[in-house]
Amino acid sequence: DIQMTQSPSSLSASVGDRVTIACRASQTISTYLNWYQQKPGKAPKLLIYFASSLQSGVPSRFSGGGSGTDFTLTISGLQAEDFATYFCQQTYSAPLTFGGGTMVEIK
Amino acid sequence: EVQLVESGGGLVQPGRSLRVSCVGTGFTFEEYAMHWVRQAPGKGLEWVSGIGWSSGNIGYADSVKGRFTISRDNAKNSLYLQMNSLRTEDTALYFCTRSVVISGPGQYFNFWGQGTLVTVSS
Repeated sequence: DIQMTQSPSSLSASVGDRVTIACRASQTISTYLNWYQQKPGKAPKLLIYFASSLQSGVPSRFSGGGSGTDFTLTISGLQAEDFATYFCQQTYSAPLTFGGGTMVEIK
Repeated sequence: EVQLVESGGGLVQPGRSLRVSCVGTGFTFEEYAMHWVRQAPGKGLEWVSGIGWSSGNIGYADSVKGRFTISRDNAKNSLYLQMNSLRTEDTALYFCTRSVVISGPGQYFNFWGQGTLVTVSS
C-alpha cells in the first residue's frame, strides 16, 4: 500500500500569511494527488486535483504542485475562512490512501 | 443540485452487521463511480471501498476486506455498504462520495454527503 505522509501535522498562522503544506508518497504516484479541505462538523471539500488543477469555484490563492513523491499545497494570503484541516490523497493505486492531515490554526 | 444523503447508521454491538445506504440526486447516478470514506472521531480520513459505474472495478481497504461489501442499484440511485463482523475500530462517520475519473488511475472526489455515524460498542 502507498503511505502518504503530511507535514506539519499542525501549524499556526495569521491572516495574510503564505502557508505551505507538504505531502510525501512512499512510492512514485506521478501526479495522481488530490487535496481536500475539511472544517469541523463538515464533509471534506475538493480543492486541487491531479496535483495542480484548481477545482472550479476554489479561490486562486490555493495552488498545488509536485510530482513523483513530493507535493505541496500553498495558500497565498491566508483568509479567516481557510482555517481548517487539509488532507492529501493518492489515487495512483488501490487502496486509495489519505495523508494524516494538517490542521491550520489561527495564531 | 448534486446531493448525496447517507442513512442507516446507528449503535451496533461488536460482531453484528449493519447496512448503510446513500441516495444520489441531481446527477446521472449510473455514470459515476462511487466510494465510501470513513472518519473515526477526532481522526483523519480513511478510504473504505469503491465501485465502478457498472458495479465492476470494486476495491476495499485492507482493514475491511472480507467483512464489508459494497454494492449499488442504479435504478434506485443508491449505493450501499454491507458491514459484517463489526469491530469497535469500525466506529466512524461514514461518508458517501462521488468520483470523477480524469485519466488512467486519476480520479477525484468532488461531491460528498454529510455522513452517517456508525458506533460499534457493547
